[in-house]
Amino acid sequence: DAKTTQPTSMDCAEGRAANLPCNHSTISGNEYVYWYRQIHSQGPQYIIHGLKNNETNEMASLIITEDRKSSTLILPHATLRDTAVYYCIVRPSGQGAQKLVFGQGTRLTINP
Amino acid sequence: KAGVTQTPRYLIKTRGQQVTLSCSPISGHRSVSWYQQTPGQGLQFLFEYFSETQRNKGNFPGRFSGRQFSNSRSEMNVSTLELGDSALYLCASSLARGGASYEQYFGPGTRLTVT
Repeated sequence: DAKTTQPTSMDCAEGRAANLPCNHSTISGNEYVYWYRQIHSQGPQYIIHGLKNNETNEMASLIITEDRKSSTLILPHATLRDTAVYYCIVRPSGQGAQKLVFGQGTRLTINP
Repeated sequence: KAGVTQTPRYLIKTRGQQVTLSCSPISGHRSVSWYQQTPGQGLQFLFEYFSETQRNKGNFPGRFSGRQFSNSRSEMNVSTLELGDSALYLCASSLARGGASYEQYFGPGTRLTVT
């Protein structure tokens, strides 16, 4: 499984864009980048995923570098409710696809 | 569409007892995975079921087992509980398997405390 590296913690002001980086330098060509977040003691919430192209949905945008060795999750207008632990996961295809490997994630704090 | 539901939400058991946790996936989802979350080890994969068959298994002792029913509902069982089994147990469902493009959606979890 490809390993991901994320900063342990980050702060962002409410209303500003939160940019969460993730390094995955050993990612393979058919592995997806997934982002989840977990608000204290709740189940992880799916945010977004991508393979090669940048992706956007109602929650966030995902920017993947051309060499796919890193990505950035962007929360365009952070609110206090976005305070959570954010996990970047590289998900293999095939038989191992259902086994998500969670690292320690980034603890994002949105400040008023 | 209703999300993943897990019952019970909270449970207190005594060392040596056994426990059964239940998970109902999102309607139409056929793959169910279980995870354990502890402060020390983080989120760890337990096993995955699809079409009533265990497809993947994590690195947990045989005391941890599970099953899936024909309606895709799943149960996990932990026998001979140990203090270290105290954790948040999470269930996740996805539409299908065999591809990383299928998102997994998590339930709220069952908080198990072993005393």
